[in-house]
Amino acid sequence: GAVVSQHPSWVICKSGTSVKIECRSLDFQATTMFWYRQFPKQSLMLMATSNEGSKATYEQGVEKDKFLINHASLTLSTLTVTSAHPEDSSFYICSARGQDNYEQYFGPGTRLTVT
Amino acid sequence: GDSVTQMEGPVTLSEEAFLTINCTYTATGYPSLFWYVQYPGEGLQLLLKATKADDKGSNKGFEATYRKETTSFHLEKGSVQVSDSAVYFCAHEGFQKLVFGTGTRLLVSP
Repeated sequence: GAVVSQHPSWVICKSGTSVKIECRSLDFQATTMFWYRQFPKQSLMLMATSNEGSKATYEQGVEKDKFLINHASLTLSTLTVTSAHPEDSSFYICSARGQDNYEQYFGPGTRLTVT
Repeated sequence: GDSVTQMEGPVTLSEEAFLTINCTYTATGYPSLFWYVQYPGEGLQLLLKATKADDKGSNKGFEATYRKETTSFHLEKGSVQVSDSAVYFCAHEGFQKLVFGTGTRLLVSP
């Protein structure tokens, strides 16, 4: 099956710094990638949808200047949390979908802790 | 708004027991319905899906039937195994976006 990786799997950073999370589709071309956020014991909440080569579409309530998403190639999307604060601590999950496939394939997630 | 409600866990069962994880949804129209499974340290994997009313999705011994009249998509398995221990997420898709439930952790003991 299709494989999606995320790096890093966990990261700790200090308040005020920026953190970049990578999402890669390893064996298929992902025309669309999705970024989700998951709080403990809560649902995955869609943050944004990105199509290769175009700007991401953010969900209502998600600050686009704080959560920068880049989808510059068909195998890589990045999420940068800028000026991170403790309330940004969460589990971030990406998924990817190819142009000829209906299914979303999920990465294993990245746990971000901001101290 | 659109939402998915699933039973809280953890659900603890002995091997070979019958499993039911309840899921109900609210949505505009008739969305496709999904069950995803997340094994420890791995990403979510699609377990099964149903795209219209009365469809039954099935995979690896798991089944779920799309019930329009009760807006439900309950997950069942007749005989669980230790290897089924994981977190199970119910979801529906509308406008190409997935809406997830909170997940239910299943623990199966030998």
